[in-house]
Amino acid sequence: KAGVTQTPRYLIKTRGQQVTLSCSPISGHRSVSWYQQTPGQGLQFLFEYFSETQRNKGNFPGRFSGRQFSNSRSEMNVSTLELGDSALYLCASSLGQTGELFFGEGSRLTVL
Amino acid sequence: AQSVSQHNHHVILSEAASLELGCNYSYGGTVNLFWYVQYPGQHLQLLLKYFSGDPLVKGIKGFEAEFIKSKFSFNLRKPSVQWSDTAEYFCAVKGALGGSYIPTFGRGTSLIVHP
Repeated sequence: KAGVTQTPRYLIKTRGQQVTLSCSPISGHRSVSWYQQTPGQGLQFLFEYFSETQRNKGNFPGRFSGRQFSNSRSEMNVSTLELGDSALYLCASSLGQTGELFFGEGSRLTVL
Repeated sequence: AQSVSQHNHHVILSEAASLELGCNYSYGGTVNLFWYVQYPGQHLQLLLKYFSGDPLVKGIKGFEAEFIKSKFSFNLRKPSVQWSDTAEYFCAVKGALGGSYIPTFGRGTSLIVHP
């Protein structure tokens, strides 16, 4: 069974630009959630999608947005990038709302 | 709001030493508890989980964790660590908020095991 796939793995952007990250969940998983991982801060929850609907949202500014498609693939977008957005962005899929998360390898974003 | 506190940010041990990583959470309702591990260069993966029942849960690679409800704790233990246990460990809580389960992670504990 293929795992969670995230693309791109690495990217470099400059301040003010926008970025779109993609996540393909494990087949059969309808829940996809996104996290920002930075040194010393651990993982911070961005949002969760289930059946194309945003089910939960973390405490991030509106520059962070996402969506989910009918095949459960998800994208997240960050507009007007700031230096502080440099981080590893992780996507996870799960079967249900309460269960374990299966993580992708992440997309490492560097903002210059 | 729920929160998760991991007491140790960096732990250095020698092989065969015993390990205990502390995790406390703040939330008054029903919670599901998890420990995830991130080996160098690899993605996060589940070590063990607690939903209900026996508060002592066993996970992969000889790890176990004990849920103590009165202390809001879910500490991770391993009797004898190996060099291959070098990794970052994250405690996580999923607590119900208005019908939704929001995941909250601790800041992580970096474990280095010397051979």
